[in-house]
Amino acid sequence: NAGVTQTPKFQVLKTGQSMTLQCAQDMNHEYMSWYRQDPGMGLRLIHYSVGAGITDQGEVPNGYNVSRSTTEDFPLRLLSAAPSQTSVYFCASSYSSTSGTFNEQFFGPGTRLTVL
Amino acid sequence: DQQVKQNSPSLSVQEGRISILNCDYTNSMFDYFLWYKKYPAEGPTFLISISSIKDKNEDGRFTVFLNKSAKHLSLHIVPSQPGDSAVYFCAASVTGTASKLTFGTGTRLQVTL
Repeated sequence: NAGVTQTPKFQVLKTGQSMTLQCAQDMNHEYMSWYRQDPGMGLRLIHYSVGAGITDQGEVPNGYNVSRSTTEDFPLRLLSAAPSQTSVYFCASSYSSTSGTFNEQFFGPGTRLTVL
Repeated sequence: DQQVKQNSPSLSVQEGRISILNCDYTNSMFDYFLWYKKYPAEGPTFLISISSIKDKNEDGRFTVFLNKSAKHLSLHIVPSQPGDSAVYFCAASVTGTASKLTFGTGTRLQVTL
């Protein structure tokens, strides 16, 4: 199993450009999510999905779109990049947790994005 | 509003000694807590977790303690090894909320020889 893969590893954008960060997992996990990590802020949840066709907002969703057309893929789209979106982005996946249970999340290696 | 706090940005410990990393939370709805370890240029990896129905969970050199009344948890690493040098994140969740995690800001642990 490759686990959770993310592409690209590095990206530099100019303000106003758009791009899609790719995330894929081969573990048949229902739950997928995107986080951003900024210095002194920890990881913050951007968007998440509990299954194909179902997405919802996390703590910091503004400026980002997501879709989940398959179980395996969960791309994150920046429609008009801003310098405030300079960050390291992590995708994660897990089996869905039901009441009383919790399943650990597996993280990808991250995408380092710089917006000039 | 930081619901999960790690007040020590860094910690230095000698090899063989105990490392104690601390985490505080404010949301009383949290009932599941995790520790993740992160090396540079890699994603976080799961280390150990604890449910709120327990006050201690042990896995080899790693033990997590939970004090619900104080809304405090700690990670003990005994004995500390150089390979333990990494950033450690505390995370919390409410079971049944679609696995959403709230992370602390992290503590950088350096284990010296």
